Amino acid sequence: QSALTQPASVSGSPGQSITISCTGTSSDVGSYNLVSWYQQHPGKAPKLMIYEGSKRPSGVSNRFSGSKSGNTASLTISGLQAEDEADYYCCSYAGSSTRVFGGGTKLTVL
Amino acid sequence: QLQLQESGPGLVKPSETLSLSCTVSGGSISSSSYYWGCIRQPPGKGLEWIASIYYRGNTYYNPSLKSRVTISADTSNNQFSLKLSSVTAADTAVYYCVRQRVVDGYDIWGQGTLVTVSS
Repeated sequence: QSALTQPASVSGSPGQSITISCTGTSSDVGSYNLVSWYQQHPGKAPKLMIYEGSKRPSGVSNRFSGSKSGNTASLTISGLQAEDEADYYCCSYAGSSTRVFGGGTKLTVL
Repeated sequence: QLQLQESGPGLVKPSETLSLSCTVSGGSISSSSYYWGCIRQPPGKGLEWIASIYYRGNTYYNPSLKSRVTISADTSNNQFSLKLSSVTAADTAVYYCVRQRVVDGYDIWGQGTLVTVSS
């Protein structure tokens, strides 16, 4: 069970859209539509932003969306805002009721 | 509003056992809609799922930690607990208690507690 692969950092200007990728294997991301995404601000606990690949919990802005193609899941943030600057983590079901996280991506809003 | 509160030792000596307690308030650990679990984050690093438990006692472990981890639930006190044995400096991390939706997603997190392994 290896960690999912995310870019270390991405950046964008206010109002723009960015996409964070999360690459796994046919044993995790590729086999299940059970990818979740988390936002973490410095010194805070992570917050669930997307679950089951593309569903948003109540209260999460519709500027956040999730998708998947093959072994790669993606998180897209549209209309980038300063408050979106944070670390983002993906997590996938990996079979046998286990989960694996990505290494995290630091989003910088320029 | 359901809340999770971690209770940990702060400092543990190498080779000893780390014990973490998670108290659930504002809801029942005996809900059929959720699992309960623990996730950790070493300083400056990413998240790692450790273990999960269902109120009926079903337990699930990260394969890389399975030989050292035990998770248990105390439904009468609305708590669940994690034990990690034979700790080393690599186990130094912020440990989070989490609620996991049965299908997918850790939707509620505790504030986290830093556990340092050092002599």
